[in-house]
Amino acid sequence: ETGVTQTPRHLVMGMTNKKSLKCEQHLGHNAMYWYKQSAKKPLELMFVYNFKEQTENNSVPSRFSPECPNSSHLFLHLHTLQPEDSALYLCASSLAQGRTSETQYFGPGTRLLVL
Amino acid sequence: GENVEQHPSTLSVQEGDSAVIKCTYSDSASNYFPWYKQELGKGPQLIIDIRSNVGEKKDQRIAVTLNKTAKHFSLHITETQPEDSAVYFCAASRDNQGGKLIFGQGTELSVKP
Repeated sequence: ETGVTQTPRHLVMGMTNKKSLKCEQHLGHNAMYWYKQSAKKPLELMFVYNFKEQTENNSVPSRFSPECPNSSHLFLHLHTLQPEDSALYLCASSLAQGRTSETQYFGPGTRLLVL
Repeated sequence: GENVEQHPSTLSVQEGDSAVIKCTYSDSASNYFPWYKQELGKGPQLIIDIRSNVGEKKDQRIAVTLNKTAKHFSLHITETQPEDSAVYFCAASRDNQGGKLIFGQGTELSVKP
């Protein structure tokens, strides 16, 4: 266990549904990240939060809406998704997003299927 | 922007043999290079990392080498075991970039008993 948990582990949703992914870290970290992992492609950074403030939005479509109520929790709200959004969504955390690069610890991911 | 190329995409070795995975990066300012192992149904787990002020780092059967001049770094696994079978990702980042990791495409390693 890495100290980063994600729920649900699997999710099937229709294109008109609204759902949310949840991530929680128990490491005392202050930076949290959302990544998208598609088959045969490198991990793609989506969003970064540092001390609850969003510091990075990697040109992600507005149908993905992140929320970080505190340093331990991160959500990804989903609405009107497309089939091409089907992927493994990974959450990660690190000590803080500072001047030097920090080790990132990943959760197990949520496998999302959009029908 | 930074680009990381990883080779090979698949690698099959016999148990006990060594495995080598190579990555090249484009941004000469990159100075942090982690390697992650992802087993089926799990998220990536850090196995070793190296910063640009050293050329090699070892941890038991795993080692990473860095050639800053050529802008490439490699993962070496010796005495491979079936439990080493997984997908391995390299990544690169630089200071003052908000911790943004740029990942390679991944290498699927299969260790045959």
